[in-house]
Amino acid sequence: EDKVVQSPLSLVVHEGDTVTLNCSYEVTNFRSLLWYKQEKKAPTFLFMLTSSGIEKKSGRLSSILDKKELFSILNITATQTGDSAVYLCAAMRSQGNLIFGKGTKLSVKP
Amino acid sequence: DGGITQSPKYLFRKEGQNVTLSCEQNLNHDAMYWYRQDPGQGLRLIYYSQIVNDFQKGDIAEGYSVSREKKESFPLTVTSAQKNPTAFYLCATRDREFAGELFFGEGSRLTVL
Repeated sequence: EDKVVQSPLSLVVHEGDTVTLNCSYEVTNFRSLLWYKQEKKAPTFLFMLTSSGIEKKSGRLSSILDKKELFSILNITATQTGDSAVYLCAAMRSQGNLIFGKGTKLSVKP
Repeated sequence: DGGITQSPKYLFRKEGQNVTLSCEQNLNHDAMYWYRQDPGQGLRLIYYSQIVNDFQKGDIAEGYSVSREKKESFPLTVTSAQKNPTAFYLCATRDREFAGELFFGEGSRLTVL
């Protein structure tokens, strides 16, 4: 059965800390790995990773995919209270469907 | 205003009643999806449609039905056969059929009393 596992499930840090969120996957016909941020309702897109070993960056956020070991990490440096959210990892099958992990709830304290 | 509109945002229903959740998009996206989210759980795929008048079951389709009569609309009906319907329902769209990220609506929270 296809699955996506995220760790940790929750995390509390202080402003300025650096965090690493983990995502492992076992998905048949794997195509890409996506990261989303969900603050209240609608998840918002962060990254899509298709090639192994190529880091994607957006400001203080970065992510990389390892297709050999079947995992991805999301790094957030110099965290801010506005980074508090649930971060969702999803594996895309070749037909385009996404399989989501349970998410990591990040709380950033001032 | 471009985007995905889900309605209603909050809905209460009694056991045994069917309810229909609306999802409308003006992004001109071909593919549309319905996901269910429960507390502490990831999003689970209910149904998806890649073209008008065609749709496929996702991982948890039992107790749900959909239609895709127009490109802009993909309503989801939660039937009385769904044993545990209380959840947060998210509609999403995609620009290209097999690639690209999903764009999500604001969601509909259904509570069965």
